[in-house]
Amino acid sequence: DTAVSQTPKYLVTQMGNDKSIKCEQNLGHDTMYWYKQDSKKFLKIMFSYNNKELIINETVPNRFSPKSPDKAHLNLHINSLELGDSAVYFCASSQKGLASDTQYFGPGTRLTVL
Amino acid sequence: GQNIDQPTEMTATEGAIVQINCTYQTSGFNGLFWYQQHAGEAPTFLSYNVLDGLEEKGRFSSFLSRSKGYSYLLLKELQMKDSASYLCAVLDSNYQLIWGAGTKLIIKP
Repeated sequence: DTAVSQTPKYLVTQMGNDKSIKCEQNLGHDTMYWYKQDSKKFLKIMFSYNNKELIINETVPNRFSPKSPDKAHLNLHINSLELGDSAVYFCASSQKGLASDTQYFGPGTRLTVL
Repeated sequence: GQNIDQPTEMTATEGAIVQINCTYQTSGFNGLFWYQQHAGEAPTFLSYNVLDGLEEKGRFSSFLSRSKGYSYLLLKELQMKDSASYLCAVLDSNYQLIWGAGTKLIIKP
């Protein structure tokens, strides 16, 4: 069974479109995260949710909005896509949201904005 | 500012030993992680150090010196499947995880 899954794996779209990426974890973890990995391979945290409450919101554009219908899901919605949004987006989860907890990553979604 | 330095790329031979270094300057320290990331895949956890010294886990070991702001990941008996990027990440005083850009390790037969 896949622990952290994301869909779609690849997403190609035009500038200005709105798109969503879905994430699900079946580990029973309390905290989920969204990361952006750019072409230079830096992982930058975007959001984290703990029991449906946003606990980290880095300085990302408000075009990005996380949505968590329940503890096992954290979806990422992006409005008005821009060229600079092209990157790989990783979802992750950890057991209790302690910073020292191991984070388990999903397979990533490669977003290309044309 | 906060900074994590790792070599960009290293090459080693199958069966050999390689040491990947990581130095950090962060606002406080609450632990250091090493993750492995194969090309096109997600990072996977390797180790977590919060106290000085060496932690051994099979073929992989991780060392930490907090006074020097330094860690290394030691890989023994290298296998071709060890070809990957190795990411160093530090928890700062605000418990924010600061990631390095990773070291791409190339294993040659």
